[in-house]
Amino acid sequence: DAGVIQSPRHEVTEMGQEVTLRCKPISGHDYLFWYRQTMMRGLELLIYFNNNVPIDDSGMPEDRFSAKMPNASFSTLKIQPSEPRDSAVYFCASSFGQRYGYTFGSGTRLTVV
Amino acid sequence: DQQVKQNSPSLSVQEGRISILNCDYTNSMFDYFLWYKKYPAEGPTFLISISSIKDKNEDGRFTVFLNKSAKHLSLHIVPSQPGDSAVYFCAAKNQAGTALIFGKGTTLSVSS
Repeated sequence: DAGVIQSPRHEVTEMGQEVTLRCKPISGHDYLFWYRQTMMRGLELLIYFNNNVPIDDSGMPEDRFSAKMPNASFSTLKIQPSEPRDSAVYFCASSFGQRYGYTFGSGTRLTVV
Repeated sequence: DQQVKQNSPSLSVQEGRISILNCDYTNSMFDYFLWYKKYPAEGPTFLISISSIKDKNEDGRFTVFLNKSAKHLSLHIVPSQPGDSAVYFCAAKNQAGTALIFGKGTTLSVSS
C-alpha cells in the first residue's frame, strides 16, 4: 500500500482565499484523523471520522474550518476564508480500529500570506 | 489545558549514550500510550507503545517505562545513534474511544 496520501505538499495562499487540503487514507482503514502541527500547540486534533461519519469535531478552531469524507477513500479539509494564523502543517492519519497507532501522511504545509 | 506534556523542547546526546525523553499526563483515564518519531518534511511514524497494565515495554534499542502513580512515562534509547535525531511525540488515549492526544514534542539531537 502507498500509505496515507496527502495533497498538496505545500500550499501558499493569500489571506481570504479558500484552501482545500486532500487526503486518501489506507485502504481498509475505518478511522481518519486530521491534525494540525504548530510550534505553539504541537500536534492538535482537529476532527476525526469513523466509517466516513464525523465523530468529534471539537478541535476545529472556527466555523471557517470544515471537513468532509464523502467515501472511504477520500477526505477534505477546507478553510474559507483563510487567515495568516492558519499557517501550519496539516496532517491526515488513518487507522484500522482505534486501539493501536495511526499511520500519518507526509502533511501539507500551508502558508497564508 | 494540555493533557499530555513534554516539558523539554529539546535534548542533545552524544552517540552511544542513553537518550531519555520524558512525558507527563494529567488524565487518569488514559490507558494506552505511544511514542511517535518525526523527521523533517515527513509525517510522524509509530515507534513503540505501552498499555497501562504494563510498566515496561522493549523493542530493540527502545524501551518505554510507565509510572502510573506519577502519571509519567519515559522513552529510553540505548545506544543513541545519529539517525535517531528527530522530533519525538508522546501520545495517549483512553478506552472511551477518543482520538490520540499528543504532546508538543521533544527534538532529540544525537551528535557523533
